[in-house]
Amino acid sequence: QSALTQPASVSGSPGQSITISCTGTSSDVGSSNHVFWYQHHPGKAPKLVIYDVSNRPTGVSNRFSGSKSGNTASLTISGLQAEDEADYYCTSYTSTYTYVFASGTKVNVL
Amino acid sequence: QVQLVQSGAEGKKPGASVEISCKASGYTFTNYYMHWIRQAPGQGLEWMGIFDPTGVVTKFAQKFQGRVTMTSDPSTSTVYMDLSSLTSEDTAIYYCARETPRTCYFDSWGQGTLVTVSS
Repeated sequence: QSALTQPASVSGSPGQSITISCTGTSSDVGSSNHVFWYQHHPGKAPKLVIYDVSNRPTGVSNRFSGSKSGNTASLTISGLQAEDEADYYCTSYTSTYTYVFASGTKVNVL
Repeated sequence: QVQLVQSGAEGKKPGASVEISCKASGYTFTNYYMHWIRQAPGQGLEWMGIFDPTGVVTKFAQKFQGRVTMTSDPSTSTVYMDLSSLTSEDTAIYYCARETPRTCYFDSWGQGTLVTVSS
């Protein structure tokens, strides 16, 4: 199972919106409602920010939103804040009952 | 509150095995699955496998089949992950992460355990 594809980095100024794409295949992102996004500050445990493509866990800011079209999922962070600077990983549950992660996107807040 | 506390850093030689523990608290241990995920230096996250403390569901990523074992001790609410035949490519931070069955997402994570494989 090949890893999902994300851009290595995305940058934005405070208050702006950014979108991170996550491209997979018809065996994972394209056929799964179980696409998730995790925020990872180095040295800390990853944190779930989006589950099942577009749902936010309790306590996660509504500045985080998710969507999917075909084999590509997207995470949008609106009203970018300094605390959003972190690595973001998408992952998908696959048709073979396994998980595949992307390589991660570093979000830089300028 | 839910806590997953992992064992400390390990240094191993190539060919050796490593065992990492993940002690759970704050919830009913047997009601949740445990996953293991790792991150090699400068790399992304990589899913290793899922372990069900009741023994119903266990699955490993193909890459680790034959080399990974996952077990548990319900009396101490601890899950163990053993990885054998280590190479330098197994140098990574290893995380345990909890899943509420059938949600498919990881809602709590351990703090991570650094395993360094070097001769």
